[in-house]
Amino acid sequence: EIVLTQSPDFQSVTPKEKVTITCRASQSIGSTLHWYQQKPDQSPKLLIKYASQSMSGVPSRFSGSGSGTDFTLTINGLEPEDAAAYYCQQSSALPVTFGGGTKVEIK
Amino acid sequence: EVQLVESGGGLEQPGGSLRLSCAASGFTLTNYDMHWVRQSAGRGLEWVSSMDVAGNTYYADSVRGRFTVSREHAKNSLYLQLDSLRSGDTAVYYCVREGTGGHIDPFDDWGQGTMVTVSS
Repeated sequence: EIVLTQSPDFQSVTPKEKVTITCRASQSIGSTLHWYQQKPDQSPKLLIKYASQSMSGVPSRFSGSGSGTDFTLTINGLEPEDAAAYYCQQSSALPVTFGGGTKVEIK
Repeated sequence: EVQLVESGGGLEQPGGSLRLSCAASGFTLTNYDMHWVRQSAGRGLEWVSSMDVAGNTYYADSVRGRFTVSREHAKNSLYLQLDSLRSGDTAVYYCVREGTGGHIDPFDDWGQGTMVTVSS
């Protein structure tokens, strides 16, 4: 099973600040790494697929990068509506696995 | 518009059974690989099971032999039979539609989830 380690677990950030979340895979997964946003009382929503491809309708302040074992989700200029939990997921092999999540709070 | 609506969750005793349903609309369910993912406070997001277009089924080690995924074309629905329930199965269960294109694509669409609580 491929283990995904996300950091940090929690981040409290001032609006307009830059947020960086990292996800490390226990083995190389190429670019089969995806990012989800989950707001309180909602289902996860796909934000970025294959490490860097933003989904339609996702604000341009969200971007993803990385390949192999190290990946990053960046929010350039945090907005209040970005308060959520963010999860990485790998689809290189079954079982599909998720990172432990990063909760982003607005200061 | 793609919609996935889960139902069937509830409170069940350890060792008991539940059957979750996922009613799909806006697309033909048998044309997509479909998954069940659960989320609990203690274990985060966890992939549980999937059924591919061909009808092949896959399970997480933690549920293999206890859970069974199935689908019904006429009702455009996906099901998850949960048997021999344990306290560790307590979670919100999501029905998820995989995207199309690759070996295993990201999960494009999620239902609202149905809560399963296993407790005596």
